[in-house]
Amino acid sequence: DTAVSQTPKYLVTQMGNDKSIKCEQNLGHDTMYWYKQDSKKFLKIMFSYNNKELIINETVPNRFSPKSPDKAHLNLHINSLELGDSAVYFCASSRGGPANTEAFFGQGTRLTVV
Amino acid sequence: AQSVTQLDSQVPVFEEAPVELRCNYSSSVSVYLFWYVQYPNQGLQLLLKYLSGSTLVKGINGFEAEFNKSQTSFHLRKPSVHISDTAEYFCAVSGTSYGKLTFGQGTILTVHP
Repeated sequence: DTAVSQTPKYLVTQMGNDKSIKCEQNLGHDTMYWYKQDSKKFLKIMFSYNNKELIINETVPNRFSPKSPDKAHLNLHINSLELGDSAVYFCASSRGGPANTEAFFGQGTRLTVV
Repeated sequence: AQSVTQLDSQVPVFEEAPVELRCNYSSSVSVYLFWYVQYPNQGLQLLLKYLSGSTLVKGINGFEAEFNKSQTSFHLRKPSVHISDTAEYFCAVSGTSYGKLTFGQGTILTVHP
């Protein structure tokens, strides 16, 4: 039973399209994240939600809009895709709080914009 | 602000040899430190973490790390590596109450037979 699951695993799309990536966690965690891993494998946080509330937004373009319908789900919608958006996007979750900062990661979604 | 520097981008080593992957961090607040491993085309798996207490932390797959506050380091070690340890390893730091992780650039460990 996968703890953090993302769909789709691979996504190939044309510039200018709009796409969504879904993420679900069954760990009962309060906090969820989106991280971007670029072509050089560098990982950087994009967003974080705690109990459906946005708490971290790391200067990500407005074309990226996270949505958390409930604390088990955090979806990422991307408008007007650009070539530079090609990357692997990882969803993660944690219990949050100072003593519970172990993040569990999904398998990643490899987005390729052509 | 926090930052993490992994001093080696690639570390080649022979099977059964010891290995050390180096990590230094900077932070203005107390931190929690982590090592994650990423196998090809997979997500990140936690190897070990330091939150408090003993500075020597043991993790999965025979890895351990030592937190050195004075040198702001958290180096990862394994006394004898296997081919299956070939992967990319990421050091990360968290200093906020919501668990935001700041990652280093990653170190590719390649174990040769």
